[in-house]
Amino acid sequence: GIQVEQSPPDLILQEGANSTLRCNFSDSVNNLQWFHQNPWGQLINLFYIPSGTKQNGRLSATTVATERYSLLYISSSQTTDSGVYFCMLLKAAGNKLTFGGGTRVLVKP
Amino acid sequence: DSGVTQTPKHLITATGQRVTLRCSPRSGDLSVYWYQQSLDQGLQFLIQYYNGEERAKGNILERFSAQQFPDLHSELNLSSLELGDSALYFCASRVELAGGGNEQFFGPGTRLTVL
Repeated sequence: GIQVEQSPPDLILQEGANSTLRCNFSDSVNNLQWFHQNPWGQLINLFYIPSGTKQNGRLSATTVATERYSLLYISSSQTTDSGVYFCMLLKAAGNKLTFGGGTRVLVKP
Repeated sequence: DSGVTQTPKHLITATGQRVTLRCSPRSGDLSVYWYQQSLDQGLQFLIQYYNGEERAKGNILERFSAQQFPDLHSELNLSSLELGDSALYFCASRVELAGGGNEQFFGPGTRLTVL
């Protein structure tokens, strides 16, 4: 199956700092989404981004499908950004959904 | 609020028992996906239904089964429960996007504890 690797596994930030999270994948994909799992366990949609760049407030994401990676940028981080960030992929062939292992982010005040 | 509902929020049961988790997709969405999130396995896709029919299977155990009803709600049945089945169980529904893609929205999850 498709291999998905997220880096770094853990990230500690001071409030106001910027950061980049990465999702590498081993095969061509149809769909790619980024989610934030907050400390209460809720999975919140951030971006649907199989290719290209999108921005939503302080967050933006870029997927370079030909090079098989996606980046999530967090700017001016806030304590509410704490949680785990997952990328989720749907492989082009076989309809198989796979999650990355996540990046655990802690933003300190 | 994603529009996907799941009940119950919490469930505590004993080994060997059987439980049923329920999910209602967003209004208008025909697909339901089930996922398991455990500490050691991370988030795993279990099974997908589309308009009442099974569409894709992931790492779903034989002790687990699911179905989707004519009103599009879905139930995940877990039987002969083991300690290792303790996990968060999510369902998601899917919206078709212009251009051929689709985006999933997750429910709040059911936290299952097997004692």
